[in-house]
Amino acid sequence: DAKTTQPTSMDCAEGRAANLPCNHSTISGNEYVYWYRQIHSQGPQYIIHGLKNNETNEMASLIITEDRKSSTLILPHATLRDTAVYYCIVRVNTGNQFYFGTGTSLTVIP
Amino acid sequence: DVKVTQSSRYLVKRTGEKVFLECVQDMDHENMFWYRQDPGLGLRLIYFSYDVKMKEKGDIPEGYSVSREKKERFSLILESASTNQTSMYLCASSLEGWGYTFGSGTRLTVV
Repeated sequence: DAKTTQPTSMDCAEGRAANLPCNHSTISGNEYVYWYRQIHSQGPQYIIHGLKNNETNEMASLIITEDRKSSTLILPHATLRDTAVYYCIVRVNTGNQFYFGTGTSLTVIP
Repeated sequence: DVKVTQSSRYLVKRTGEKVFLECVQDMDHENMFWYRQDPGLGLRLIYFSYDVKMKEKGDIPEGYSVSREKKERFSLILESASTNQTSMYLCASSLEGWGYTFGSGTRLTVV
């Protein structure tokens, strides 16, 4: 599975959009982009995933560039409860193992 | 919602003890996984299983074994606990081709 690169940490003001970038320049055509987050002392939680098209659900939006070499997770109106570590993972949808890096630590500031 | 339940939230064991960490999922998922999480190292895969009675080594299997006698239960075994196995242990399950559902984790301290 392709590797990903994320910033170590980011801050965001409460109520503003949080945009979390991820680079995956070696992604192959059949690899999906997944996002998870982990709130302190809990297990990681699935947020969203996509292949080529942009995706939106009740938690977030995922924007994937046309060349698929990078993506951005958008939390449209960040709250204090969104403070967490966010993991971007690319993975073929068979084989099943997820390899987690160290992610981006997002702090939402009041 | 799928539930993945880990038997203990916190556990303290002595060096040399045999330790069992239990994980149960209630949605008939084929795949189950054990990770450990340490500061600065992220999540690392220990073992996983695609079916009953089968297991595959992950990236850091040394010092661990697993058991999957029933589809819903995946046990992680520390044969002889050591202080460097002090960590947060996370269990996850999934259907083929889908994302993971994680348990809440077991924070194990080996003294």
